This record gives sequence, structure tokens and C-alpha cells, in this order.
Amino acid sequence: GQQVMQIPQYQHVQEGEDFTTYCNSSTTLSNIQWYKQRPGGHPVFLIQLVKSGEVKKQKRLTFQFGEAKKNSSLHITATQTTDVGTYFCAENAGNMLTFGGGTRLMVKP
Amino acid sequence: DSGVTQTPKHLITATGQRVTLRCSPRSGDLSVYWYQQSLDQGLQFLIQYYNGEERAKGNILERFSAQQFPDLHSELNLSSLELGDSALYFCASSTQTYTDTQYFGPGTRLTVL
Repeated sequence: GQQVMQIPQYQHVQEGEDFTTYCNSSTTLSNIQWYKQRPGGHPVFLIQLVKSGEVKKQKRLTFQFGEAKKNSSLHITATQTTDVGTYFCAENAGNMLTFGGGTRLMVKP
Repeated sequence: DSGVTQTPKHLITATGQRVTLRCSPRSGDLSVYWYQQSLDQGLQFLIQYYNGEERAKGNILERFSAQQFPDLHSELNLSSLELGDSALYFCASSTQTYTDTQYFGPGTRLTVL
């Protein structure tokens, strides 16, 4: 079935550094959603991208959907300790979410 | 607080036992989804119900079953439990369409000893 690969698995950054996580699919995605899960918490919806080449921003977070709709990225500028958590991409198709493996972000103060 | 509630928060049981996890969706949401999160398998979709009817099935074992009641709350039943069933089980809800945002509950942590 559909698989969404996400890299890297882990990322340690110094506070203030930038961070990027990438999602890739071998097939065209109908959409891509991004979720954040804080340690000990539950996934929280961040954003959905639908159109080819779409770029959306939320304060220090920039989300991109590739032109071929086979990849997506989440970039955080100047990380803060509050950004700690695992970031998941997911395709929402056919009433189910297919999640990538997640990228766990750790921020050193 | 997403508005989705799940009980219990933690559950410890033995192999071979049966447990029931409960989920109440956000007010007005008709769709309920169940997900399993484990270290080796990540976040996996199990099953979806919409207004009482099963709508989609994912990687759900035959030992697992679910239902959605007329008041829209849902239960996930896990039977003949194995050590490998230890995981976080999340319920999520959405208004209706498949492109809707899904709101996740706090999860039930199941430990099978």
C-alpha cells in the first residue's frame, strides 16, 4: 500500500538553528498534512497542503508541497525549546491517515 | 484540549485477556478513527466509523473489533491480547468528509504483561 517515507528520524539542534524534515512518496499524494506530537502527547494537526507547489507559512514554520505532489517539507526557522516534539507528515486519503515515520526534534537550550 | 476524550488513560493487563477502550468524539463530529502507535510500527490507522457505520479498515487484526454507538461514542475491543499489542491507542474524530482535519484524543496506553 501507500507508504510515506520521512527523514531524518531524529534531529538534534541548538536553539536558534533551523530545522527541516522531509516526506517522500513513490506515488502521487492527494494531499499532505502535518502533525506535531509533543513528548507524552497526542498528534496535533498543523496544516494541510493540497495543490502542487503549494507553500504555506505559520510564523516560523514553512510547509511546502512538491510540484509533482510526491514530496513535502516542513522547515522551522530559529528553533525554540517549545518546538521539541515529533513531526509527522500524513496523507489523508480514503478516510484514513497514512503517516510517515516521524522526525523527532530535540532542541538544546 | 482537542475535545476528544478517551478512557482509560492507562491499562495494564495480561496476555490472553480482553480489554475495551472508549472514545467520545468532539461535539458534532460524526466520524471516529482509531490508530495504534507503537515503537516499531509507528502510527497506524486501524478503523473508521461514520455515524455508526464502518467506513474504512486499515491494519486491524482479527482479534480487534470496534463499534460506534447511536450517541456517537466508540469502543475498540482488543481480545486474546499478546505482548506485541502493547501500544498507545489514539482515537480521532472529524466532522465528516475525508479531507477534514482529524482531532486526536489523549490516547490510552495499553501494557500487556
